[in-house]
Amino acid sequence: DQQVKQNSPSLSVQEGRISILNCDYTNSMFDYFLWYKKYPAEGPTFLISISSIKDKNEDGRFTVFLNKSAKHLSLHIVPSQPGDSAVYFCAASANNNNDMRFGAGTRLTVKP
Amino acid sequence: NAGVTQTPKFRVLKTGQSMTLLCAQDMNHEYMYWYRQDPGMGLRLIHYSVGEGTTAKGEVPDGYNVSRLKKQNFLLGLESAAPSQTSVYFCASRSTLAGPQETQYFGPGTRLLVL
Repeated sequence: DQQVKQNSPSLSVQEGRISILNCDYTNSMFDYFLWYKKYPAEGPTFLISISSIKDKNEDGRFTVFLNKSAKHLSLHIVPSQPGDSAVYFCAASANNNNDMRFGAGTRLTVKP
Repeated sequence: NAGVTQTPKFRVLKTGQSMTLLCAQDMNHEYMYWYRQDPGMGLRLIHYSVGEGTTAKGEVPDGYNVSRLKKQNFLLGLESAAPSQTSVYFCASRSTLAGPQETQYFGPGTRLLVL
């Protein structure tokens, strides 16, 4: 039972354009959401997070939007750069516990 | 400051063999985690530890055991490996001081192939 779903396995965008990565969840108890970035042969690294009390969090070129009623969040990267090419994982947890659930990931390719 | 390191990087096992994966962190973190990553599944939590001498089960604990004898080390054991345990294993750690989940720092991973 996958509680966090990333339905797009891959996404390709042109350098300078916007990248939008989507994530859906089913567990209404989730109250903290994160995005991790992963390069080949490396471990995931934290990118940005959002608490359920907010609907938007911005950090430089990265913005995460949360729609609690739709149980949906998205990561916007503007402008996209070739160095952003990686696999992006969405993750969620409830009550800041240790059982964090991950989506299957979306491979982003940014073309020069 | 090496962060989180994992040993070995790659291993091939035969069905029924045993092995131990070692995770070490030099950040004095209290919490440590073992995940496995499989195609189409994302990362799934196997076991975790909230401090030296304590461990707890995650989402997929069957077939694995763990130990946290020292604060800086978290061992993941496979007593009798099965082909279904072929995966990439990631260790992570975080500080209790930070609070939010984002401070999980991941190791580079161990690729395990069970034949």
